[in-house]
Amino acid sequence: AQSVTQLDSQVPVFEEAPVELRCNYSSSVSVYLFWYVQYPNQGLQLLLKYLSGSTLVKGINGFEAEFNKSQTSFHLRKPSVHISDTAEYFCAVSGDNTDKLIFGTGTRLQVFP
Amino acid sequence: DAGVIQSPRHEVTEMGQEVTLRCKPISGHDYLFWYRQTMMRGLELLIYFNNNVPIDDSGMPEDRFSAKMPNASFSTLKIQPSEPRDSAVYFCASSLRLTRGGYGYTFGSGTRLTVV
Repeated sequence: AQSVTQLDSQVPVFEEAPVELRCNYSSSVSVYLFWYVQYPNQGLQLLLKYLSGSTLVKGINGFEAEFNKSQTSFHLRKPSVHISDTAEYFCAVSGDNTDKLIFGTGTRLQVFP
Repeated sequence: DAGVIQSPRHEVTEMGQEVTLRCKPISGHDYLFWYRQTMMRGLELLIYFNNNVPIDDSGMPEDRFSAKMPNASFSTLKIQPSEPRDSAVYFCASSLRLTRGGYGYTFGSGTRLTVV
């Protein structure tokens, strides 16, 4: 069975600074990895996904993530954050042996001016 | 494409009352998921359907919860009787299996349920 761990529940950062949100997964089969963002009082929106191929995945709003099979990680990065990036970010995993998407507990990114 | 549509956006009800949450998935999506989000437990998968058939309801907390999908364009989640601990945001998501694997989940905006 797949599982995903988001190592940080909160990440405070100043505007224009770089940020990395960490995600580690566990799976015995091929995995598909996702990052979702949830702005206040909204549903989850897909940021990016890794299905296969290039390990560096680029998403919306300037975010990117790198799939690292040896480290079983899929960390999300942005070189320069904006106030508007303040939100909850969820890492999620699925695989060929399941129909379900398993979510992490979320990381709250707080960007300060 | 209007996306996944949930109604109502907000629901306030008294303990003991029946509550029905509604979801219209994206046309053509063959999977539908109901999630519950709370501060304490995060995102919990309650139940999901494939081609209108319930596949896994192991996340449904109690017999007070029931879900139906009478056709490909409509699903309901019912709580009867409701209790204060059911207060949460309930999300519906629909999905299509991607040709390269994985799923393209699209979430609705959620229903914020408050049981007083």
